[in-house]
Amino acid sequence: QKEVEQNSGPLSVPEGAIASLNCTYSDRVSQSFFWYRQYSGKSPELIMSIYSNGDKEDGRFTAQLNKASQYVSLLIRDSQPSDSATYLCAVNPGNQFYFGTGTSLTVIP
Amino acid sequence: DAGITQSPRHKVTETGTPVTLRCHQTENHRYMYWYRQDPGHGLRLIHYSYGVKDTDKGEVSDGYSVSRSKTEDFLLTLESATSSQTSVYFCAISEGQTYEQYFGPGTRLTVT
Repeated sequence: QKEVEQNSGPLSVPEGAIASLNCTYSDRVSQSFFWYRQYSGKSPELIMSIYSNGDKEDGRFTAQLNKASQYVSLLIRDSQPSDSATYLCAVNPGNQFYFGTGTSLTVIP
Repeated sequence: DAGITQSPRHKVTETGTPVTLRCHQTENHRYMYWYRQDPGHGLRLIHYSYGVKDTDKGEVSDGYSVSRSKTEDFLLTLESATSSQTSVYFCAISEGQTYEQYFGPGTRLTVT
């Protein structure tokens, strides 16, 4: 079983809509959780980190963490074409990061 | 990519030759990591360092070695390159083991 699972997509949303990206993880002792954005041919860029249950908002991005259900999600409000990228979920149980394979998002103008 | 550079950015090499990739940081972060990224597998940890001369293995360490003689430099060596090591290699840094990681621009390695 993979440590971190993501729906590979592709996920398509119209411009201005809310994009919802989901991630589940297997290690119950995971302590820290991260979302990265990766444009094609580029390196991963940190968007959000979340460490406790609940929601964390940063501009148009909201990360949601539910440790009991072992999932973390990312909402992107007012999606823009520039948000089109692959989004990577990362989980850290305390010793190293485990990354999902990413969800490809396309925002249609 | 600010504060993290990788060299070379692109390399083509032949099977059986040794290859060294370099990661350099100006952030004075304690932790440094080497990942490889392949389609269908995502980012996988090769080795990491938690201080000068302190390193440990990741999940895909076979065929790779690392060294860290200075805080700012972390070297990844493919002892005898194989075609299965064709990949994009990313270096990352962080202040602590559970802290955010920041990635370098990557090195695209092709082993023919």
